[in-house]
Amino acid sequence: EVQLVESGGGLVQPGGSLRLSCVGSGFAFSNYWMNWVRQAPGRGLQWVANIKQDGSKKYFLDSVKGRFTISRDNAKNSLYLQMKNLRAEDTAIYYCARDSILLGGVIFDWGMGTLVTVSP
Amino acid sequence: QSVLTQPPSASGTPGQRVTISCSGSSSNIGRNIANWYQQLPGMAPKLLIYGNNQRPSGVPDRFSGSKSGTSASLAISGLQSEDEADYYCATWDDSLKGWVFGGGTKLTVL
Repeated sequence: EVQLVESGGGLVQPGGSLRLSCVGSGFAFSNYWMNWVRQAPGRGLQWVANIKQDGSKKYFLDSVKGRFTISRDNAKNSLYLQMKNLRAEDTAIYYCARDSILLGGVIFDWGMGTLVTVSP
Repeated sequence: QSVLTQPPSASGTPGQRVTISCSGSSSNIGRNIANWYQQLPGMAPKLLIYGNNQRPSGVPDRFSGSKSGTSASLAISGLQSEDEADYYCATWDDSLKGWVFGGGTKLTVL
């Protein structure tokens, strides 16, 4: 059974930083693109970033470019999202999501999410 | 404003058939496969349809998907009360270089 478990969310002041982590199990982590997708309270889904299997390619939502970085450690089956200069509009549940082997295929599985709240 | 356009709401009575549309463009649905997700209240999204019309194991055949040109559709037949949820379409956008989602459709079973 595929499991994705996020951690690292919390309350942070505007301009602050936070690092999210996700541990995957039940599948060959190193074989898949991985994503972060977020959902603001009462709003729809918004893709944030993704990373290729070996970390050599990364794509970001325009509004987070230069503020967020995505990385992975395949030896630890882990995905990370480093968030800096956080804004109120970054407040959301952040989901770790398993993509397919090929870019643009399908996002198969989702974690339960971790809540990030940006507020004074 | 979402890149993919869905109706904000849909409704039907038990046993009825409902469809949810998803309109995109040549850089997303027009070039790539469409996927659909179901999100029950308070839960994470769940893959419902992938590859335009494929169902993952465990998804009832009451759910079906289709794609034509730059639009996709999700159909739910034999509507049940447990189908009450938010539904999202999604695909890769070659111009934006990212996943794009519809704004979501809240399905109410009357």
